[in-house]
Amino acid sequence: DQQVKQNSPSLSVQEGRISILNCDYTNSMFDYFLWYKKYPAEGPTFLISISSIKDKNEDGRFTVFLNKSAKHLSLHIVPSQPGDSAVYFCAASEENRDDKIIFGKGTRLHILP
Amino acid sequence: SQTIHQWPATLVQPVGSPLSLECTVEGTSNPNLYWYRQAAGRGLQLLFYSVGIGQISSEVPQNLSASRPQDRQFILSSKKLLLSDSGFYLCAWRAYNEQFFGPGTRLTVL
Repeated sequence: DQQVKQNSPSLSVQEGRISILNCDYTNSMFDYFLWYKKYPAEGPTFLISISSIKDKNEDGRFTVFLNKSAKHLSLHIVPSQPGDSAVYFCAASEENRDDKIIFGKGTRLHILP
Repeated sequence: SQTIHQWPATLVQPVGSPLSLECTVEGTSNPNLYWYRQAAGRGLQLLFYSVGIGQISSEVPQNLSASRPQDRQFILSSKKLLLSDSGFYLCAWRAYNEQFFGPGTRLTVL
């Protein structure tokens, strides 16, 4: 049973335009959400997170939106740059629990020149 | 600052051979430690996690095992590798609500 779903395996966006990566979750106990970026042959690196008490968190070119009623979150990257080409993982957890963070399968983002 | 080490970086092993991947963390004490595998089309699959020495939780039944002999050491093992064990293995530790990953080990089973 997949608790965190990224239904788009890949996405291609023109350089300079907005990239929107989507994520859905099923566990209503999740209250903390994260996005990670991964290049080939490297470990994922943390990008941005959001707690369920917020509906938006912004950090530079990256903004995460959370819609709790729809159990949906999205990552917006604007403007998209060539270095943004990577696999993006959505993850969720129950805040302050010390066991596991659940990851989605990832979306491969291609930034086109 | 905290650092996470994994070795080896790459490994090619024949089917049926044993496996030992090591992960160590510096700069923190009593971390929660995790082993993930990234296989083609499978995303990040949680294999094991540990909240303390000798405490291992298994997420996926398979021919792999994990051990935590020391506070900052996490080992992934197998007695006999299968072809399906090929993948990119990542160790991670958790601080509060964020998780930090090591550089990974690329395992190819032939």
